[in-house]
Amino acid sequence: DGGITQSPKYLFRKEGQNVTLSCEQNLNHDAMYWYRQDPGQGLRLIYYSQIVNDFQKGDIAEGYSVSREKKESFPLTVTSAQKNPTAFYLCASSPRDYNQPQHFGDGTRLSIL
Amino acid sequence: AQSVTQPDIHITVSEGASLELRCNYSYGATPYLFWYVQSPGQGLQLLLKYFSGDTLVQGIKGFEAEFKRSQSSFNLRKPSVHWSDAAEYFCAVKVTGGGNKLTFGTGTQLKVEL
Repeated sequence: DGGITQSPKYLFRKEGQNVTLSCEQNLNHDAMYWYRQDPGQGLRLIYYSQIVNDFQKGDIAEGYSVSREKKESFPLTVTSAQKNPTAFYLCASSPRDYNQPQHFGDGTRLSIL
Repeated sequence: AQSVTQPDIHITVSEGASLELRCNYSYGATPYLFWYVQSPGQGLQLLLKYFSGDTLVQGIKGFEAEFKRSQSSFNLRKPSVHWSDAAEYFCAVKVTGGGNKLTFGTGTQLKVEL
């Protein structure tokens, strides 16, 4: 079955450390997205990519970086510049057509040690 | 910029009772509208979507939603709630020219009393 795989499910970060969250999809979707979810705030867009080797900042990109070297992969790095990284991170993908919904992975929960 | 409002943070209903979750959006034209459901610690699952045509759309798990242009609303309904429907529900909009991005409401947490 096609889907989106996020790993790891739980991740812990030490102060001053960069960590990378993995997102892989086998849906053959062109577009991929990263969201941050905090209690009571819904989902906020961090970065998105409509095509390989291209990506754009979302609403809360500061302290995060991404790459899109392959169609199926869109890793997110949480850098030490992100002062409040504790959150639930969700990856999504979709075809580029506007009338198509986004499909979501099961998320990665990041905590600070 | 478009925005989405879900005015109810928490809703509690009894099993077997009807349910309506409210969603209002702010956008000049008709957006693409979605409802998603999230169980604790999981990703989001699409319940239904509206793009055009019939304003009453049917989704999975017995849910439906009605688009009302005059009220800028897209409320989610279910005639009879099951205990397994307890979850968090998110309304989202997508607008043309917006880079294919979704804007989410802050969610409504549904509790079902047995």
